[in-house]
Amino acid sequence: SYVLTQPPSVSVAPGKTARITCGGNNIGSKNVHWYQQKPGQAPVLVIHYDSDRPSGIPERFSGSNSGNTATLTISRVEAGDEADYYCQVWESSSDHYVFGTGTKVTVL
Amino acid sequence: QVQVVQSGAEVKRPGASVKVSCKVSGHTLTELSIHWVRQAPGKGPEWMGGFDPDDGETIYAHQFQGRVTLTEDTSTDTAYMELSSLRSEDTAVYHCAIPQLPGAFDIWGQGTLVTVSS
Repeated sequence: SYVLTQPPSVSVAPGKTARITCGGNNIGSKNVHWYQQKPGQAPVLVIHYDSDRPSGIPERFSGSNSGNTATLTISRVEAGDEADYYCQVWESSSDHYVFGTGTKVTVL
Repeated sequence: QVQVVQSGAEVKRPGASVKVSCKVSGHTLTELSIHWVRQAPGKGPEWMGGFDPDDGETIYAHQFQGRVTLTEDTSTDTAYMELSSLRSEDTAVYHCAIPQLPGAFDIWGQGTLVTVSS
């Protein structure tokens, strides 16, 4: 089965940039979606199709995808960005949806 | 604007079954593809299955095949997820999720906590 690997945690100071990676075999050939999840809440889609932002998501959130790594970048980090972040793809060979292992972003 | 409301929390004994509902509004169920995602305490989301509109079939994640059944009642615009032979590891929050854009879950239900305990 397809595996998406993320770093367990990322720490960042307010106003700085956080980068969260999502590794998968030839992930650059797939559409990657990113979710933000705060405690006790459902996940919220923050990036879809590698780099597109849904309506209402700040421009500070951006994404890229190439080779074996997709990246979610949060610029000018704010305290409210502290959350768990998950990448996700649809795996065509199995027709299954796969989520990454998740990254906890801590704002120092 | 699609909105979804799920049924309330459940407590079940090991070996029992649970059925969680997801009622949609703003669109009819026939216009949507309903999926189910669960999240065990302290763990990441895990896709369980959903409706594939390309071939009109319901697809199930391999690890749940044989134990999960997804159904829909179009007369009430309500989708259901039934999980059988429950074990303690099935304790989790179960969400219905809707990909309005193919592949990306942009609409989520509030979640239903299912606790499996003897």
